[in-house]
Amino acid sequence: EVQLLESGGGLVQPGGSLRLSCAASGFTFSSYAMNWVRQAPGKGLEWVSAISGSGGSTSFADSVKGRFTITRDNSKNTMYLQMNSLRAEDTAVYYCAKGTSNYYPYYYDYWGQGTLVTVSS
Amino acid sequence: EIVLTQSSGTLSLSPGERATLSCRASQSVSNNYLAWYQQKPGQAPRLLIYGASSRATGIPDRFGGSGSGTDFTLTISRLEPEDFAVYYCQQYGSSPRTFGQGTRLEIK
Repeated sequence: EVQLLESGGGLVQPGGSLRLSCAASGFTFSSYAMNWVRQAPGKGLEWVSAISGSGGSTSFADSVKGRFTITRDNSKNTMYLQMNSLRAEDTAVYYCAKGTSNYYPYYYDYWGQGTLVTVSS
Repeated sequence: EIVLTQSSGTLSLSPGERATLSCRASQSVSNNYLAWYQQKPGQAPRLLIYGASSRATGIPDRFGGSGSGTDFTLTISRLEPEDFAVYYCQQYGSSPRTFGQGTRLEIK
């Protein structure tokens, strides 16, 4: 059974940093692209970042480019999102989502339950 | 960036009725790489449809997807109580992958 478990969310001041983790199980982690998708309170879904199976290819939404970094440790079946220079508009539930392939195009067949990030003073 | 517009913000229907949800793209979606997700309160999204018309594993056949190019539709043939939720379309053929703003399906 595929499971994705996010952690690391919490309350952080504007300008601060946070690192999210997504622990995966139930599939060959290194064979699939992984993504972060966020949802601001009461709002819709917004793609944030993607990473290839090897970790060698990454992409970011313009809204987070230069502030967020995505990495993965395939030996630990875990993906990370390092978030720096956080802003109030980054407040959201952050979901990790498994791609259906390591290659474009792919959609998301499994999602974690999400971790809430609140940026506020 | 492809903008997806889901025309109905909220759809009010009764169990047993047919639901038709639309998703219009600002430009043609490559190879109809269009997915639909269902999200219930406090839960993660769940994949329903991919490739515009293919049902995901375990999805009941009352859910159907259709369309091509810029106009796509999710149809629920006979609404069950558990179908009342928010539905999002997503295009994954172009970067950045984008979502529609969602349609809330509520019980009338």
